[in-house]
Amino acid sequence: EPEVTQTPSHQVTQMGQEVILRCVPISNHLYFYWYRQILGQKVEFLVSFYNNEISEKSEIFDDQFSVERPDGSNFTLKIRSTKLEDSAMYFCASRAGVGFGEQFFGPGTRLTVL
Amino acid sequence: AQTVTQSQPEMSVQEAETVTLSCTYDTSESDYYLFWYKQPPSRQMILVIRQEAYKQQNATENRFSVNFQKAAKSFSLKISDSQLGDAAMYFCAYRSVNFGNEKLTFGTGTRLTIIP
Repeated sequence: EPEVTQTPSHQVTQMGQEVILRCVPISNHLYFYWYRQILGQKVEFLVSFYNNEISEKSEIFDDQFSVERPDGSNFTLKIRSTKLEDSAMYFCASRAGVGFGEQFFGPGTRLTVL
Repeated sequence: AQTVTQSQPEMSVQEAETVTLSCTYDTSESDYYLFWYKQPPSRQMILVIRQEAYKQQNATENRFSVNFQKAAKSFSLKISDSQLGDAAMYFCAYRSVNFGNEKLTFGTGTRLTIIP
């Protein structure tokens, strides 16, 4: 069964460093998402991406964040200068098409900012 | 903006018994989708069940069923014959049908413990 994959599973970085979180969505999916979950809290939407551009973003997704689909298979989330409060689990999700389509989630990347 | 509220931070149930998790939401939209996701200790988000708001019939998936009350904006999850593997965080989520606004809005979750 096709699945969304994410790498790395755990990333530790120093405050102020740039990190890139990688996701490989399900191959025929068209809509891509990033969510984050700070430990013990609810899952929060960051950004959605369709047709090579951002379709929606939350207040959390400020200028420090960017997304890219560089090669037609990977979908990346970049944090330019990490802060302590960026420590969280980051989930990638993808969806096939319009209508009642399930968002399939990846296993997540745990980001720890020291 | 839509909001989702789960008023039960924790619930527990005896194995083989039935438990109901509550969820309410607020929206001005007339059509939308509702979901229940399960997050086991591995933290992977797994879809349990989904409901389209225009459908009056409650969704059912094996031991999982929902009680969807559109007028009351209530969407509860019933788990029958609870099993040890059901232990997890359960999140209720809302999604608009409008293109460009397809994010999932999650509640704060309910931690379900299964007592052997």
